Amino acid sequence: KNQVEQSPQSLIILEGKNCTLQCNYTVSPFSNLRWYKQDTGRGPVSLTIMTFSENTKSNGRYTATLDADTKQSSLHITASQLSDSASYICVVSNLGGGADGLTFGKGTHLIIQP
Amino acid sequence: DVKVTQSSRYLVKRTGEKVFLECVQDMDHENMFWYRQDPGLGLRLIYFSYDVKMKEKGDIPEGYSVSREKKERFSLILESASTNQTSMYLCASSLSPEGELFFGEGSRLTVL
Repeated sequence: KNQVEQSPQSLIILEGKNCTLQCNYTVSPFSNLRWYKQDTGRGPVSLTIMTFSENTKSNGRYTATLDADTKQSSLHITASQLSDSASYICVVSNLGGGADGLTFGKGTHLIIQP
Repeated sequence: DVKVTQSSRYLVKRTGEKVFLECVQDMDHENMFWYRQDPGLGLRLIYFSYDVKMKEKGDIPEGYSVSREKKERFSLILESASTNQTSMYLCASSLSPEGELFFGEGSRLTVL
């Protein structure tokens, strides 16, 4: 069964500090992996997409990595800001799976404290 | 700017009432989805549609139905609301089935 596990479930850090969120998956065959950011009470918004051939991709202070061999991805946030407080959801797509082929992690709830 | 609009942000309904949740997208996307999101369970797919008048069951379709009469509009219907349908409902659209999902702001439904 395709699964996506995210850790930690929740995280509290001080403003200005860095943090790393983890996503492990068992989805096969793999198509792509996306990280979404969901602010409280809002819909998720895509931060980045990782395909099989990509190891690292940055979007401002967000850097995603992918190790397709170990089926692990991470999202690193540099110099955190209060606006980074949100849930971060990892979504993995399996090749040819269509809408049924999207497997969602349960998210990491990140709180940035001043 | 691309947009997915859900008609109601907050609704309170009584058990047994019929509930309509409407979603409109302006991106000419073929694919539209309805998810519900509950604490500790993440997002779960209720129904999706690849084309007008076409619908497919997701992981948790029981107690729900959908309607897609026009490409831009995808409605979720609760024929007889129950308390266990209290949840946040998220509509999304995408250009391709495996493509980026564009979500609406969500509709928080409370069934009393």
